[in-house]
Amino acid sequence: GESVGLHLPTLSVQEGDNSIINCAYSNSASDYFIWYKQESGKGPQFIIDIRSNMDKRQGQRVTVLLNKTVKHLSLQIAATQPGDSAVYFCAENGGKNNRLAFGKGNQVVVIP
Amino acid sequence: DAGVIQSPRHEVTEMGQEVTLRCKPISGHDYLFWYRQTMMRGLELLIYFNNNVPIDDSGMPEDRFSAKMPNASFSTLKIQPSEPRDSAVYFCASSQRTGTGSPLHFGNGTRLTVT
Repeated sequence: GESVGLHLPTLSVQEGDNSIINCAYSNSASDYFIWYKQESGKGPQFIIDIRSNMDKRQGQRVTVLLNKTVKHLSLQIAATQPGDSAVYFCAENGGKNNRLAFGKGNQVVVIP
Repeated sequence: DAGVIQSPRHEVTEMGQEVTLRCKPISGHDYLFWYRQTMMRGLELLIYFNNNVPIDDSGMPEDRFSAKMPNASFSTLKIQPSEPRDSAVYFCASSQRTGTGSPLHFGNGTRLTVT
């Protein structure tokens, strides 16, 4: 897809290892954050979200951590699988009129 | 639910031609968004609708771009005339509402190539 490009930060992970993807957000007033996964040729797919009154939320094999002090968001993927290879975007609702603002994306490459 | 459906998946056209991209949002979602994605600029919001009414079109690049939503289940994004710099992937997304607790659900996009 268009989002996979030479200029994206890339994380190479061995299959079975844990992955951590980081995101710095910009608006201290943002109170809702989302992680999306985008595979080649597809649209961004919702993975997990978190509200600002929480600092951690877990899903299936994924955990999102929020540190409001330093405006940092991370996505942890446990036991990374080949199907996890994709571009991952963080989004915050700090855009104009409370709309979502997307980060540039991080590419994850899983090595079998 | 079939999710957000976009057509066509790919569009190749010559500069100066009219291009129409189509979107069917998820049933029951009151908000519809059109995004453009390029390697250089990432995901850019072009316009969004609430209950079929355009709310903010400040992201539309120029007058060559127009969007309509004649009913709750259909929207179009039109480019006339198209230019090579319009080449990108165009995504439609919908949500039940905006703000906290309402993520966007994206279609699989239309890859537009203008030669």
